[in-house]
Amino acid sequence: ETGVTQTPRHLVMGMTNKKSLKCEQHLGHNAMYWYKQSAKKPLELMFVYNFKEQTENNSVPSRFSPECPNSSHLFLHLHTLQPEDSALYLCASSQGGAAPLETQYFGPGTRLLVL
Amino acid sequence: AQKITQTQPGMFVQEKEAVTLDCTYDTSDQSYGLFWYKQPSSGEMIFLIYQGSYDEQNATEGRYSLNFQKARKSANLVISASQLGDSAMYFCAMREGLSYNTDKLIFGTGTRLQVFP
Repeated sequence: ETGVTQTPRHLVMGMTNKKSLKCEQHLGHNAMYWYKQSAKKPLELMFVYNFKEQTENNSVPSRFSPECPNSSHLFLHLHTLQPEDSALYLCASSQGGAAPLETQYFGPGTRLLVL
Repeated sequence: AQKITQTQPGMFVQEKEAVTLDCTYDTSDQSYGLFWYKQPSSGEMIFLIYQGSYDEQNATEGRYSLNFQKARKSANLVISASQLGDSAMYFCAMREGLSYNTDKLIFGTGTRLQVFP
């Protein structure tokens, strides 16, 4: 595997379900990100982890719970979601650091549908 | 106020022609980075090109070039010799500042490019 992978690629869940999204990066990076992409809205940053420490929580509801056990893996635990949470969830990684030119590399995303 | 503005929701271009996708940005930082990503229908965001605020020359990467006009705060993407596989959404993004905790990549709303034969 190379780059950034995400599983599952598609997920349908009810509002009472609990599920988790998984992201894995094979780039040796130290920073990982969760983004939400809804129809007709700009990509929204949700969480940032640098060296396994959460450095950004962009006012995300508590029904989304991130977990970063190591620099290569990032999870997004989902519970009691709402239909408006249906979106494409993208994971990204970067070297980790302060350079403005630091590039983020994205995974293929998980398309989530909440019924 | 929007930080990244992409005013073209959709663009059409004929194969082998060049096309320019517009992007303007707003920042008070002196140091920032500008990025372009391509998103095919499969969903993955593919990094294309970047430009640093201190770079005097426009960035180029194969068929992609970035027309950086700092005074106008614009960072337009130019795709030369368009191919059918270039049909996708294109997003302009900016990263501000040098703070260790400033990891935010701010995205525009995107431009859908369609290349026709």
